[in-house]
This record gives sequence, structure tokens and C-alpha cells, in this order.
Amino acid sequence: EAGVTQFPSHSVIEKGQTVTLRCDPISGHDNLYWYRRVMGKEIKFLLHFVKESKQDESGMPNNRFLAERTGGTYSTLKVQPAELEDSGVYFCASSQDPRVTQYFGPGTRLTVL
Amino acid sequence: RKEVEQDPGPFNVPEGATVAFNCTYSNSASQSFFWYRQDCRKEPKLLMSVYSSGNEDGRFTAQLNRASQYISLLIRDSKLSDSATYLCVVNLRGSYIPTFGRGTSLIVHP
Repeated sequence: EAGVTQFPSHSVIEKGQTVTLRCDPISGHDNLYWYRRVMGKEIKFLLHFVKESKQDESGMPNNRFLAERTGGTYSTLKVQPAELEDSGVYFCASSQDPRVTQYFGPGTRLTVL
Repeated sequence: RKEVEQDPGPFNVPEGATVAFNCTYSNSASQSFFWYRQDCRKEPKLLMSVYSSGNEDGRFTAQLNRASQYISLLIRDSKLSDSATYLCVVNLRGSYIPTFGRGTSLIVHP
């Protein structure tokens, strides 16, 4: 069974540019989550999709971040315009039953210069 | 006070040693508890869930103390391959949104 995949693995952009991260969850997993880990800090929840609907987006830092999951399959997270403090590792995770466990993707390491 | 606190370590132990980590949580409404393992520059992977009665999986034992609001992870007979960061994860009752600790670093040396 294929795991959660994320693209790109690394992205280096300049402040003010736009970046779009992609996550492909495990097939059949309705629940999809985005997280971010800033260097030296704990992993922080950003938002949760159930199929194509945003179940909880309380962790999104501000309106420069836009997440979509059209069709309830893969998801994108767009940062526009990027700021220096957006640098970090963005993880995606999916689950069939969120009460049990989530399966994480390898993450996208974003560096904003 | 952080919602989930862990001693960042590193815990530096020889092969074969027994090592224990604790994790404290601040919200008494916390319901679900997990230990994840994260290797350097890799994604977190579930190590084990933590049940009220405690649970054991091979060399790993997890326990929950609701009265004192902490969970623990015990690793017996440490292997070099156990070197990693161990993340404590807590879900509030009725919530599927996990709160992560910062992680405890374990280094097992020959």
C-alpha cells in the first residue's frame, strides 16, 4: 500500500513569492491533515479535511494560507505571499479513523529567504 | 505552561540499557494518548497508543497516570536502532486534533 506522499520535498523561495505544496493521502482515507513544524518548536496542527470539507481550520496562521481538497482526494496548501516566519517543515497526514492513528507524509521543507 | 511537555534530552544511553521518558499534559479533558517516533529528517510514525490499563509491545511499555496527568514510555534492552526523537501526542476528549510535545531525543551508543 502506498503511503502519504508530498511534493515538493524541498522548496526555497524569496519573501513575497507564492508556493503551493501538495499532499496525496493514502487511498480511501477521508481524513487529511496539515501540520507545520518550525525549527526548535513542536509540530502544530493547521487544518483538517474530511473528504473535501474543511472540518477544522483553527490552526491556520493567517489568510496568507489557503488549503484546498477538491474532489476529496489530494490536497494543496498555498502560501501567498510567503514571509520569513513561514519557513519550516509542512507535514501532511491522513487517516481512515482519526481516533486510532494518522499516517504522516515525509514533509515539505520550506525555506523563505 | 505548555499543553504537552517533554524533557527534550538528549538521553544518551548504552546498548542494552533501560530508559524511560515522561510526558505531562495540562488539560484534564485529554482523552487519547500516543507515542510517535521520528527519525532525523523523517516523518513521525506511530509507535504505540497509550491505554488506561497500560500496554506493552515487545521492549516498549507505555503507561498513563490520569491523576498526575502524565504518560510514560519505557524502553528495555535499548538497541542502536532505537535512536530517534520520541513524540508525545495527546487528543482532547471528542477532538481528533492532536497536540504534540516537542519530543525527547534518545541516542543509544555502542
